[in-house]
Amino acid sequence: EAQVTQNPRYLITVTGKKLTVTCSQNMNHEYMSWYRQDPGLGLRQIYYSMNVEVTDKGDVPEGYKVSRKEKRNFPLILESPSPNQTSLYFCASSHTGLVRDTEAFFGQGTRLTVV
Amino acid sequence: AQSVTQLDSQVPVFEEAPVELRCNYSSSVSVYLFWYVQYPNQGLQLLLKYLSGSTLVKGINGFEAEFNKSQTSFHLRKPSVHISDTAEYFCAVSLILQGAQKLVFGQGTRLTINP
Repeated sequence: EAQVTQNPRYLITVTGKKLTVTCSQNMNHEYMSWYRQDPGLGLRQIYYSMNVEVTDKGDVPEGYKVSRKEKRNFPLILESPSPNQTSLYFCASSHTGLVRDTEAFFGQGTRLTVV
Repeated sequence: AQSVTQLDSQVPVFEEAPVELRCNYSSSVSVYLFWYVQYPNQGLQLLLKYLSGSTLVKGINGFEAEFNKSQTSFHLRKPSVHISDTAEYFCAVSLILQGAQKLVFGQGTRLTINP
């Protein structure tokens, strides 16, 4: 089954404790993105990757890091989480990031709480 | 700058009633428009998209949307809703920025179906 898998689904952590949210897709997609979803703000892009070893900042990159060492995996790293990073996070992938009409496939989300 | 506005944050309707979820966009270039649906505790999935051609677009689960260039709108409609349509709905415009596809999402509309 074609899917985007995120782990964990739920995470509660303390301020300053480094964490990683994993994302894996099995569709051989080139383009992957991370979004955060906050009430009243919709989804905002954090980082994206056009292909292996090619990553770039989205709209809200502060406090986050990503890497793309393999095509299927695109982990999101919070080196020193803060309470304002409490949010619902989604990973998405699509066949290519070079055209506008490509459909994005989303993971089930990771609900992160930073206390 | 391109933006998407969903005029209603919440829409309650009775089962079997018609529904319209409103979406307006601002863009200085030709637009590609999407509606995504997020069922409870799930990721987003594509409902329908407008790329070009007929302004009436049909999607999954009986939904349709009409692209209106003069009113810069892309409202989503369903003639008769079911309990299973309870979800959050996101309108998005697809762009190419700095050589990469970018989805700009609206704030979301939470559709609640009452029996």
